[in-house]
Amino acid sequence: DGGITQSPKYLFRKEGQNVTLSCEQNLNHDAMYWYRQDPGQGLRLIYYSQIVNDFQKGDIAEGYSVSREKKESFPLTVTSAQKNPTAFYLCASSIPAFRKDGELFFGEGSRLTVL
Amino acid sequence: SQQGEEDPQALSIQEGENATMNCSYKTSINNLQWYRQNSGRGLVHLILIRSNEREKHSGRLRVTLDTSKKSSSLLITASRAADTASYFCATDPVSTDKLIFGTGTRLQVFP
Repeated sequence: DGGITQSPKYLFRKEGQNVTLSCEQNLNHDAMYWYRQDPGQGLRLIYYSQIVNDFQKGDIAEGYSVSREKKESFPLTVTSAQKNPTAFYLCASSIPAFRKDGELFFGEGSRLTVL
Repeated sequence: SQQGEEDPQALSIQEGENATMNCSYKTSINNLQWYRQNSGRGLVHLILIRSNEREKHSGRLRVTLDTSKKSSSLLITASRAADTASYFCATDPVSTDKLIFGTGTRLQVFP
């Protein structure tokens, strides 16, 4: 079945450690996105990529890094520079970029907790 | 900054009743989308309405858009316990290339 797979679903990290969240899609979508969701808040855009080997910062990119070496993969690294990394992270993809009526397809999310 | 603000923040109803949630936004948009999120899960796209449309239906969902008031509403008719979820609006502003999500409405439908 086509879809977006995020892993791991739950992740615990000690302060000062970098962690990488995986996002893989087999929908053949060009665009991929990472969002952060905190309790009682909407989704905030971290990074997005509209094509392989290219990505742009979203609204809250500080302390995060991404790569887009393959069309189907868009991993997110949460670095030790991210001051408050405990959150629910959502990966999404779409056929065209945002402004062409593309709906977003989401993964099931990864919950990161810093101990 | 948040473009969309939903209200109410939380809504509790009985099965069979209708649920209405509203979304207000600040700037001109190309389109507005509604998404649903079950607790601890990813979001699922429900419906998209373009800026030149006023109303759209999909099954038990009815979405309206009033661009003069910069607001949209999502109506779920004959609600079911399975409709229990959070509902988010997302706007595609003319001035940017990013979707902006609201803070969501938590809907609880009691059997």
